[in-house]
Amino acid sequence: ETGVTQTPRHLVMGMTNKKSLKCEQHLGHNAMYWYKQSAKKPLELMFVYSLEERVENNSVPSRFSPECPNSSHLFLHLHTLQPEDSALYLCASSQTSGGHPSYEQYFGPGTRLTVT
Amino acid sequence: EDQVTQSPEALRLQEGESSSLNCSYTVSGLRGLFWYRQDPGKGPEFLFTLYSAGEEKEKERLKATLTKKESFLHITAPKPEDSATYLCAVEGEETSGSRLTFGEGTQLTVNP
Repeated sequence: ETGVTQTPRHLVMGMTNKKSLKCEQHLGHNAMYWYKQSAKKPLELMFVYSLEERVENNSVPSRFSPECPNSSHLFLHLHTLQPEDSALYLCASSQTSGGHPSYEQYFGPGTRLTVT
Repeated sequence: EDQVTQSPEALRLQEGESSSLNCSYTVSGLRGLFWYRQDPGKGPEFLFTLYSAGEEKEKERLKATLTKKESFLHITAPKPEDSATYLCAVEGEETSGSRLTFGEGTQLTVNP
């Protein structure tokens, strides 16, 4: 495997289900990210892990729970989601800059989530 | 708060018809400006990073330029395979960690 991989690629879940999204990066990076992409809206940053420390976006509902067991793996645990949570969830990784310059992020293919 | 505005929202070109996409940004100290290409149903693909005004980068038919307020992505003699959504993002000095602020993108269609 190369780059950033995500599983599953597609997920349909009911509002009472619990599921997890998985991301793995094979680039030797030390920062990982979760983004949400909805139609006609810019990518929304959800969570950042840098050197395995979480920097959380306070506007993310608690029904989304991230986990980063090591620098190569990232999970997004989902529970009691709402239909408006249906979107493309993207994982990305990068080197952490700690200042100038900024490093580019590399994205996975995404998980298309549909909440019914 | 960092802000990014891309224009136009959508652009249709004939094959070989050169044009430019615009990315206007507001940021307190630019750490980096990024261009990505995104195909339908896929994750964004990294194209360029620009760090300071006056910088230019090229890749095949694409050339990215940067001023203190905006960036342009010039597409020379485009081909149908250049059809995609092009995303611009910035990272400012006041953000903690590596946080990018994205624009809404320009959807480019190149007709044969």
